[in-house]
Amino acid sequence: GAGVSQTPSNKVTEKGKYVELRCDPISGHTALYWYRQSLGQGPEFLIYFQGTGAADDSGLPNDRFFAVRPEGSVSTLKIQRTERGDSAVYLCASSRDRDTGELFFGEGSRLTVL
Amino acid sequence: AQRVTQPEKLLSVFKGAPVELKCNYSYSGSPELFWYVQYSRQRLQLLLRHISRESIKGFTADLNKGETSFHLKKPFAQEEDSAMYYCAVLEYNFNKFYFGSGTKLNVKP
Repeated sequence: GAGVSQTPSNKVTEKGKYVELRCDPISGHTALYWYRQSLGQGPEFLIYFQGTGAADDSGLPNDRFFAVRPEGSVSTLKIQRTERGDSAVYLCASSRDRDTGELFFGEGSRLTVL
Repeated sequence: AQRVTQPEKLLSVFKGAPVELKCNYSYSGSPELFWYVQYSRQRLQLLLRHISRESIKGFTADLNKGETSFHLKKPFAQEEDSAMYYCAVLEYNFNKFYFGSGTKLNVKP
């Protein structure tokens, strides 16, 4: 079976542009997480979905960031009016349910804002 | 507030030497602790979790609630252990994982 898939793997954009990053979790995994990893840092929590709803979006840095998971499977992280400080690797992870305690990560989407 | 602290950014040891990667956490509830590993050009993956109390690839980690630590240990390091290691705590009530900043382990031949 396929693991967590993230597209694009690499995205270069200009300051002020809009960006979408996609995550396709492992089939049947109800929990989905977005993390951001800057150089030299560990993954930083952004948002957590249980099914279709965002159970916790407290990690989103500001209202330029938004994420959806309309059918409880694929999720899209949307960043408006990108800034240079948004440059990072965006990681998606999924787990079977909230109690398994194991996250399965994608390979990440590297975003560079020029 | 920093929930997971990994004080060493880089740890270099020779093959066959013991290795200990330090992790301290701050969490008021009953924590669940994990170690995740990222080998070169691979995705982040689970190495071990404290509730399993098992040894994976020769690594063990003991949760010390008194010292709020969860150090990762291996008695004899191998070159293939070279990787980035991240300690993580699960904030169970909210199902949020917090990761440390990571330690790069370099095992020299």
